[in-house]
Amino acid sequence: NAGVTQTPKFQVLKTGQSMTLQCAQDMNHNSMYWYRQDPGMGLRLIYYSASEGTTDKGEVPNGYNVSRLNKREFSLRLESAAPSQTSVYFCASKGTGIIPEAFFGQGTRLTVV
Amino acid sequence: AQSVTQPDIHITVSEGASLELRCNYSYGATPYLFWYVQSPGQGLQLLLKYFSGDTLVQGIKGFEAEFKRSQSSFNLRKPSVHWSDAAEYFCAVGAFSGNTPLVFGKGTRLSVIA
Repeated sequence: NAGVTQTPKFQVLKTGQSMTLQCAQDMNHNSMYWYRQDPGMGLRLIYYSASEGTTDKGEVPNGYNVSRLNKREFSLRLESAAPSQTSVYFCASKGTGIIPEAFFGQGTRLTVV
Repeated sequence: AQSVTQPDIHITVSEGASLELRCNYSYGATPYLFWYVQSPGQGLQLLLKYFSGDTLVQGIKGFEAEFKRSQSSFNLRKPSVHWSDAAEYFCAVGAFSGNTPLVFGKGTRLSVIA
């Protein structure tokens, strides 16, 4: 029972490099989310996808793009990484039960130097 | 707009002592409320959740939370803290629509001393 799987777990980038963070869920959830976590800031929403084929901006979308490849996968792309994007990134998915909780991946720790 | 305030950034308690972590929310309707725990280097794990019914909710690991509508609060409690409870705790609020993202507080870091 994998739940939400993120790859990679760790990454170091140089300023200006690009990369894609991958996320997949096996719970047949419609909604998926990307958050970033910074010390003292809690979790801030970058982008989300309410269903396959749709994406919406969250609180801090600048510098990021997303793709909802299919129902299972939701990727986050940094086109030109900046030191301000050094953070821990979490992918989550949410079902539609009576009280729809979010399930989180283990996170990707990204450092931009 | 929804918002969550966790007034305490860091709390230190002795092992065996009781614990209360505060959470206040702002939301126009009846919210879904959640508490998550994050151990160092890990993802977030759900402790408990609430939408309606009994205002005292039981969760995993011996935690409970009480919903108080008049105070817009959803405080997390544990009668006796164990060293393994040291972690960061996040309160979150969600809307009735299943697609709406959860909004998180900034978190409270719990340290447990012997």
